[in-house]
Amino acid sequence: DAGITQSPRHKVTETGTPVTLRCHQTENHRYMYWYRQDPGHGLRLIHYSYGVKDTDKGEVSDGYSVSRSKTEDFLLTLESATSSQTSVYFCAISRGMNEQFFGPGTRLTVL
Amino acid sequence: GQQVMQIPQYQHVQEGEDFTTYCNSSTTLSNIQWYKQRPGGHPVFLIQLVKSGEVKKQKRLTFQFGEAKKNSSLHITATQTTDVGTYFCAGQADAGNMLTFGGGTRLMVKP
Repeated sequence: DAGITQSPRHKVTETGTPVTLRCHQTENHRYMYWYRQDPGHGLRLIHYSYGVKDTDKGEVSDGYSVSRSKTEDFLLTLESATSSQTSVYFCAISRGMNEQFFGPGTRLTVL
Repeated sequence: GQQVMQIPQYQHVQEGEDFTTYCNSSTTLSNIQWYKQRPGGHPVFLIQLVKSGEVKKQKRLTFQFGEAKKNSSLHITATQTTDVGTYFCAGQADAGNMLTFGGGTRLMVKP
């Protein structure tokens, strides 16, 4: 498996609180992605990055922001968590526009 | 926006039976990728198809890309319990676009 870690792996939080998820890679890949996975919806892209400080929105970006200050780290922030953001979040990396390598996932529950 | 539909959503088979999942895109694709996710795990890249009408095999798995580059299929011959998981297709509309994932087909195999 590619060197990707996500933290935390599990988190329970309350509505209205800010939450930050971290993705860390040791592969020096240029592209990093954040997806959410919900039953019946497959994987939906939230935001992605194509370099340090270069990010763009995906399909379901509302309510989420990202930052990438170093090649190896890509942070996903929920400014004010809502119950609809309860999901499993996956980070992925790729060298180019081809195969993606996924991290182990973070299970987030917003009460 | 681009949509990728996948059927069936679920499939139960007896061990030894064949299995097929189908993927259809609303737009012509540059390439299509397939991923497998074991229960409780993360998606793992299986293969990428690029050419119109392309067929690739990996042991008991056969992947096809349609002539119009809008549909694809994954066929597993003589399923085994190790094939259990959810299979996702993911399409890329052109070289600069992100992947759009289908909803996945969950395969369950009875021993």
